[in-house]
Amino acid sequence: GESVGLHLPTLSVQEGDNSIINCAYSNSASDYFIWYKQESGKGPQFIIDIRSNMDKRQGQRVTVLLNKTVKHLSLQIAATQPGDSAVYFCAEPKGEAGGGADGLTFGKGTHLIIQP
Amino acid sequence: DTEVTQTPKHLVMGMTNKKSLKCEQHMGHRAMYWYKQKAKKPPELMFVYSYEKLSINESVPSRFSPECPNSSLLNLHLHALQPEDSALYLCASSQSDRVSNTEAFFGQGTRLTVV
Repeated sequence: GESVGLHLPTLSVQEGDNSIINCAYSNSASDYFIWYKQESGKGPQFIIDIRSNMDKRQGQRVTVLLNKTVKHLSLQIAATQPGDSAVYFCAEPKGEAGGGADGLTFGKGTHLIIQP
Repeated sequence: DTEVTQTPKHLVMGMTNKKSLKCEQHMGHRAMYWYKQKAKKPPELMFVYSYEKLSINESVPSRFSPECPNSSLLNLHLHALQPEDSALYLCASSQSDRVSNTEAFFGQGTRLTVV
């Protein structure tokens, strides 16, 4: 079955530095991945997504890299700011490709702490 | 409007109470979801509604009863809950076509405490 997991539960970085959050998945047929940010007391907020036909996708200060060979994806946040402090989850759709809405399976999450 | 609105934000209920959580979206999404999130854990899927029909029930106990009155509203009826059901309950919505985009928009959640 599919599983999405994270390597580090907590990551502490200095403000202004870059951060990298990693995620591993087990299902080689997985074709779509999403990164969510969840601030304390709030619901998850979409950051960026990537499909399996891409290796890299960039947004504003964020980049997601997908390595299908080793079933690994990462979220890079450039020039971190205090507002980046949150828990970050990778997620993928449940169910088989081509199906309807199946909900998401989330990884365990990484708590990113930005030090002043 | 890209919001999913959940009410109430906080709820404390006794084990013999009946209460309901409400969720609303006006993005035209035809898929809506309930997730449960315990502290320091990821959200876990409970139910999926697609075109107002229940399509997935992740083996959720019957003391949780979902309802989708129309395409914009989703309810979760609670009855005879246990203290271990205390959690953050998240509602989400998305386009129902998985092939195009399954980005889900989440509400702020209802913080439920069962006493």
